[in-house]
Amino acid sequence: DAGVIQSPRHEVTEMGQEVTLRCKPISGHDYLFWYRQTMMRGLELLIYFNNNVPIDDSGMPEDRFSAKMPNASFSTLKIQPSEPRDSAVYFCASRDRTEAFFGQGTRLTVV
Amino acid sequence: EDQVTQSPEALRLQEGESSSLNCSYTVSGLRGLFWYRQDPGKGPEFLFTLYSAGEEKEKERLKATLTKKESFLHITAPKPEDSATYLCASTNFGNEKLTFGTGTRLTIIP
Repeated sequence: DAGVIQSPRHEVTEMGQEVTLRCKPISGHDYLFWYRQTMMRGLELLIYFNNNVPIDDSGMPEDRFSAKMPNASFSTLKIQPSEPRDSAVYFCASRDRTEAFFGQGTRLTVV
Repeated sequence: EDQVTQSPEALRLQEGESSSLNCSYTVSGLRGLFWYRQDPGKGPEFLFTLYSAGEEKEKERLKATLTKKESFLHITAPKPEDSATYLCASTNFGNEKLTFGTGTRLTIIP
């Protein structure tokens, strides 16, 4: 298996634009997590899904953020409109029963 | 709310100089304590899971241990390639999410 695949690896966008981050989890994993990593706050959970259903979205900072998982092999995290304070590395992770495996992340820069 | 605190924030060691990283946790109903390694520009890489006090796991030069309040990651005779940020995380029985500490940035000097 190629592991968790995220795209794009890097994204630079202007303030106010819509940004969509994509994730393909490991086949057979029934949990999917979206994390954000910054120097100030470390790794923070944004939302997680179980069997494609959102379970806990309490970490989603505000209504500008939304996440979907239309099927077991694909998830998106959308920010609309984007702001400079959204600049961070966004990680997707998937898990079966035990440990979570992370993708390489998307480095988002909002200017 | 679950909390995970790691110390020190940064640690510089000479090659071959053994040491330990600390992870203190406050978790209601600990289900698992996890250690990850993160290299610059990459996602966290899974190392160990510990489930109960007294449990130990080893992998090459690394050994993780768990008590009722903290976990230690012992590094024996480290090499420069062990340089990375080491992250500790917990899960509890009420929620599947990983709560991470802020990490220890380890540098091994040749």
